[in-house]
Amino acid sequence: KQEVTQIPAALSVPEGENLVLNCSFTDSAIYNLQWFRQDPGKGLTSLLLIQSSQREQTSGRLNASLDKSSGRSTLYIAASQPGDSATYLCAVPPFGNEKLTFGTGTRLTIIP
Amino acid sequence: GAGVSQSPRYKVAKRGQDVALRCDPISGHVSLFWYQQALGQGPEFLTYFQNEAQLDKSGLPSDRFFAERPEGSVSTLKIQRTQQEDSAVYLCASSRDIYQETQYFGPGTRLLVL
Repeated sequence: KQEVTQIPAALSVPEGENLVLNCSFTDSAIYNLQWFRQDPGKGLTSLLLIQSSQREQTSGRLNASLDKSSGRSTLYIAASQPGDSATYLCAVPPFGNEKLTFGTGTRLTIIP
Repeated sequence: GAGVSQSPRYKVAKRGQDVALRCDPISGHVSLFWYQQALGQGPEFLTYFQNEAQLDKSGLPSDRFFAERPEGSVSTLKIQRTQQEDSAVYLCASSRDIYQETQYFGPGTRLLVL
């Protein structure tokens, strides 16, 4: 059974700093890896999707990397802003299936 | 365009009541998913539809949970004889087709069973 872990569970950093969020998964037979953000009381917003054949994906200040063999992904946020404060979740679907297995998330707080 | 919508946004039920949660996916999206999110946890998969066909219901926690999507668009998740442990946020997501596309999530329905 796939297990997805995100460490740390919570992170606070001053505005302007660069930061890295970590995600690890136990079964490397994945089709892709997705990063989402969740704001309090709201649904999930897709940030980045990395196909299993890719090593990284970038969108604005966000960069996600994927190392399937080691079962790890990182989300790099450059020049953090207070609006980046949210819970960040990573999720993976197995081959042949679309259902996502989520980590428990990292709650990020950017201090103005 | 319009995103995924869910109703009601909040539902309070007495233990033993039946509830029905509605999901309107993005128009034309083939795949539809239901997830359950407990407080402080990541979402957990419940069930998955491809058009009107329910292809995977392995995540439904008991036979009190039932989902349908009769015309391949709107979906309803029904919970019979609700229990306190059913209290959670129920999230619906849709994706464009069957080829591992990004899933777009609705705002969720927060269910509280007293």
